[in-house]
Amino acid sequence: DIQMTQSPSSLSASVGDRVTITCRASQSISRSLNWYQQKPGKAPKVLIYVASSLQRGVPSRFSGSGSGTDFTLTISSLQPEDFATYYCQQSYSTPSTFGQGTKLQIK
Amino acid sequence: EVQLLESGGGLVQFGGSLRLSCAASGFTFSSYAMSWVRQAPGKGLEWVSAISGSAGSTYYADSVKGRFTISRDNSKNTLYLQMNSLRAEDTAVYYCAKGGYSSSSVDWFDPWGQGTLVTVSS
Repeated sequence: DIQMTQSPSSLSASVGDRVTITCRASQSISRSLNWYQQKPGKAPKVLIYVASSLQRGVPSRFSGSGSGTDFTLTISSLQPEDFATYYCQQSYSTPSTFGQGTKLQIK
Repeated sequence: EVQLLESGGGLVQFGGSLRLSCAASGFTFSSYAMSWVRQAPGKGLEWVSAISGSAGSTYYADSVKGRFTISRDNSKNTLYLQMNSLRAEDTAVYYCAKGGYSSSSVDWFDPWGQGTLVTVSS
């Protein structure tokens, strides 16, 4: 199985900050990497698919990059509604696997 | 608007069975692979199972293989998860999720249902 490792596990930041979350795969997954945002008590929502494609309706301050084993999710200017937990997911092969999550908290 | 509505969760004893359903609307159900993803209380996301649009292919996580069965009824736009031999570690919120693009393989998940809680007690 492909292991997905996110860093950091938690992050404190302020409104307006630029934030980067990293996801590393245990083997090459090409660009089959997706990012989700989850708020407490809610279902996850896809932000980025296939490494860098912005899901319709998602603000342009979110962006994704990477290929192979190393990927990043960047939020260019944090807004109050962005404080949540973020997960990466590889869809290169089954079983599909998620990173352990990154909890983004208000500083 | 795409909607997914799970049902069937609840409290079940160790070793028992439960069947989850996910009613889909707002898209051509048979054109998309569907998945179940679970989240134990306070924990991260775990993909459980997927099924192709035609129901010709199914996929399982090792943790549920041989105990869970995924199926779909394209005439009823409904996805199912039959869960047998339930264990304490199966306690979680179970989400159904529509595949993002492909009818035959797992890709991204969009959207997700609201989830249904399964609690396995001893």
